[in-house]
Amino acid sequence: DVKVTQSSRYLVKRTGEKVFLECVQDMDHENMFWYRQDPGLGLRLIYFSYDVKMKEKGDIPEGYSVSREKKERFSLILESASTNQTSMYLCASSLTGFEQYFGPGTRLTVT
Amino acid sequence: GESVGLHLPTLSVQEGDNSIINCAYSNSASDYFIWYKQESGKGPQFIIDIRSNMDKRQGQRVTVLLNKTVKHLSLQIAATQPGDSAVYFCAENSNDYKLSFGAGTTVTVRA
Repeated sequence: DVKVTQSSRYLVKRTGEKVFLECVQDMDHENMFWYRQDPGLGLRLIYFSYDVKMKEKGDIPEGYSVSREKKERFSLILESASTNQTSMYLCASSLTGFEQYFGPGTRLTVT
Repeated sequence: GESVGLHLPTLSVQEGDNSIINCAYSNSASDYFIWYKQESGKGPQFIIDIRSNMDKRQGQRVTVLLNKTVKHLSLQIAATQPGDSAVYFCAENSNDYKLSFGAGTTVTVRA
């Protein structure tokens, strides 16, 4: 059974803190994605990676960076958290780039 | 820019009735479409997909219809059950790796 796990379900951070969100998949997928989900806006792509150490910007990369040192792990980094980054963050992986498998999400609150 | 969108943000359905969730897309070059279901507190889960060389595809209690002429996608759920209450997203493949998601329709099933 495919599985994507995220390090935290809920996270509360202060403005200006550096935040790490971790995602691990056990399906040997090449492609991994980070989205944020906000009411009325659907899922917006932040960054994706199609191979180890490879990354590409999505639609809303500002204020975020990513790291992929191993195939199974894709990290999202908020260098200096701001209140407008309060959101649900979803990680996904895929083999072909078509059907994506999602993790349960991390609800981040920045105060 | 081109985007995928859903016609209605909410849909209320009587248990046992059929549900129809609509989605309009604007990228005529998209060749793959997918529907996801997201239950409260969970990540999106795959329901059904369809390629542009098809106009209909059926799964268990679900049917996806694709009308390329008017760039419209719909998801039909037969005999809607309380467990079908969720947010439904359509998405299109805009390049080899990425999916573009609509804003979502929240389906509420009335007992």
